[in-house]
Parts: sequence; structure tokens; C-alpha cells
Amino acid sequence: SQKIEQNSEALNIQEGKTATLTCNYTNYSPAYLQWYRQDPGRGPVFLLLIRENEKEKRKERLKVTFDTTLKQSLFHITASQPADSATYLCALPLSGGYNKLIFGAGTRLAVHP
Amino acid sequence: DSGVTQTPKHLITATGQRVTLRCSPRSGDLSVYWYQQSLDQGLQFLIQYYNGEERAKGNILERFSAQQFPDLHSELNLSSLELGDSALYFCASSAAQGGYTFGSGTRLTVV
Repeated sequence: SQKIEQNSEALNIQEGKTATLTCNYTNYSPAYLQWYRQDPGRGPVFLLLIRENEKEKRKERLKVTFDTTLKQSLFHITASQPADSATYLCALPLSGGYNKLIFGAGTRLAVHP
Repeated sequence: DSGVTQTPKHLITATGQRVTLRCSPRSGDLSVYWYQQSLDQGLQFLIQYYNGEERAKGNILERFSAQQFPDLHSELNLSSLELGDSALYFCASSAAQGGYTFGSGTRLTVV
């Protein structure tokens, strides 16, 4: 069955450094991949979508890569700030169409001043 | 305000009861999705509707049902509630293959 793996351990980094989060998937060839941010008790917020024919996508301090051979996406936050502290989720469309997404468990990022 | 409205924000009810959660999607979005998020689990897909029709079902219990009305708002009905149903229930909407817009969720506590 389709499976998404994200680092369950929290990532702690210093302010100003680059945070890199990993999303791996198996038994699957998705047409696109999405990243979301979720703060405690709040709904996830959509950040970026990257398609299978795109190697890299950027939005302000965010960068996402998508390696369909490795079945992996990397999510980077450059010049990280304490306000970037949150849980970051990766999501893939389930087979069968209709934009139905399966979410990874998320990686908690803590940026320390 | 994300544009997706969920009510109520909080709900406390007893085991065996039935509740209805309501969701109004973002203007123009035809798809509505329901997800459950428990403390020890990630977002679990329950069900999807598109323009009033059920499009996909996840691991939704038989005690749970949903519908989408002609004005595109959706309701999730949870019946014969058990302690294990306590969770955050999120509604999201989207257009085609775009990202989801989530509501702020309904926190259900079953006592």
C-alpha cells in the first residue's frame, strides 16, 4: 500500500540556519506532492505544490525538491526564524484521482533564538 | 480566516450520543474533504465530496456519515459515539488539483 514517511523526531536548529525536512514515499508514483505547515490546534496551511516534472520549486525562503527516482522530497527553510517553528506535513495524492491526499505524520521543527 | 468555516469549534458530548459537524467551503471550491486527527495519529482521510456527490471514502466508520448540500456546505454526522472518537475533525476544500484550504477544525471530546 502507499506509504509516506517523515522524520518523527523533532528537528531543533538555531535561528538563521537552514532547516531541511525529508519526506519519503513507497509503492507509489505521484503526479505531484504538497507541503503544509500546521501549528498546534490549528488546521494545516498549504505552502507549496511540486509536480513530478519539476525538480525544484521556490517560494520566498522555502525550497522544495522532488526526486522521483529516490521517491523523496526535501523541504528547506533558509534563514530560519523562531516563527517558523511548527509541524510540517508532506502530502501525496492517493491513486484514483480527485485530488484525495494522504498526509505524512509530520516533522516538528523548533527554531531557537 | 482561511475561507473555510467549521462549526462548532468545540463539542463535548457523552458516549452513545450523536453529533453533527458543519463545514462551509471556500467560495468557488467544489470539493470538500473531511479528516480526523487524533493526538497519537496524523491526519486520517475520512471522505470526499465533489459538487454534491461522494467521490472517495477513506477509513470512515459505519457510525459516521456525511453529505454535501446543493449550496456546497457539508455535514459530518457521528453517531453512537465512543471515547476513541475524541479528536480534531478538519474540513478542507480545494479546486481541482490545487492545495487544500483547511478550516480551523472542530475539537470533539467524548466523555
